[in-house]
Amino acid sequence: EPEVTQTPSHQVTQMGQEVILRCVPISNHLYFYWYRQILGQKVEFLVSFYNNEISEKSEIFDDQFSVERPDGSNFTLKIRSTKLEDSAMYFCAFRWGGGGIPGANVLTFGAGSRLTVL
Amino acid sequence: KQEVTQIPAALSVPEGENLVLNCSFTDSAIYNLQWFRQDPGKGLTSLLLIQSSQREQTSGRLNASLDKSSGRSTLYIAASQPGDSATYLCAVRLAGGSYIPTFGRGTSLIVHP
Repeated sequence: EPEVTQTPSHQVTQMGQEVILRCVPISNHLYFYWYRQILGQKVEFLVSFYNNEISEKSEIFDDQFSVERPDGSNFTLKIRSTKLEDSAMYFCAFRWGGGGIPGANVLTFGAGSRLTVL
Repeated sequence: KQEVTQIPAALSVPEGENLVLNCSFTDSAIYNLQWFRQDPGKGLTSLLLIQSSQREQTSGRLNASLDKSSGRSTLYIAASQPGDSATYLCAVRLAGGSYIPTFGRGTSLIVHP
């Protein structure tokens, strides 16, 4: 089982509604990522987060998206005004990143949150 | 921009066969390459990670090799079992510029009894 917890496991929403997806990380990991996977498509990078700041983001991650650590531990992805094409699995992932330690660069994924926009 | 291709896209084999899944990438200046398994509707489970300085990694019946100069990695699955049925993804992280792993589309494997 993944050591990363994502909620909700499945959310159905109406087009135009706001959605917040949550992720509880492995506590000592430094690098956080959000990815998405549209059904039958590639896993696509959205945004990475390091030291409480966005470090990189893809062209998919436009003004409709935002990412936060609201309480310093949980990690959220907010999608404002959802569109039909936002329907996908959204994965958070973590990497410890510390130098010289075996496994430091292993990317560990959560089980994902399935978003269905109607 | 790094492009990652996985061949074949799908594979169906009888139980017991030894398998080779391929992953190729266009930019050979990589930092590492990671193989994942994804069961239908589920998250990604890490199988093996190969650093750029390594040639191969092994875990149980799995062996992953890396040839940076030719832009290739292979995942070898020995004595396949029905429980190996899943989609296998490779993700390549570059050594400079973006540190974000880029994924291939995956190889969908079915091992039938």
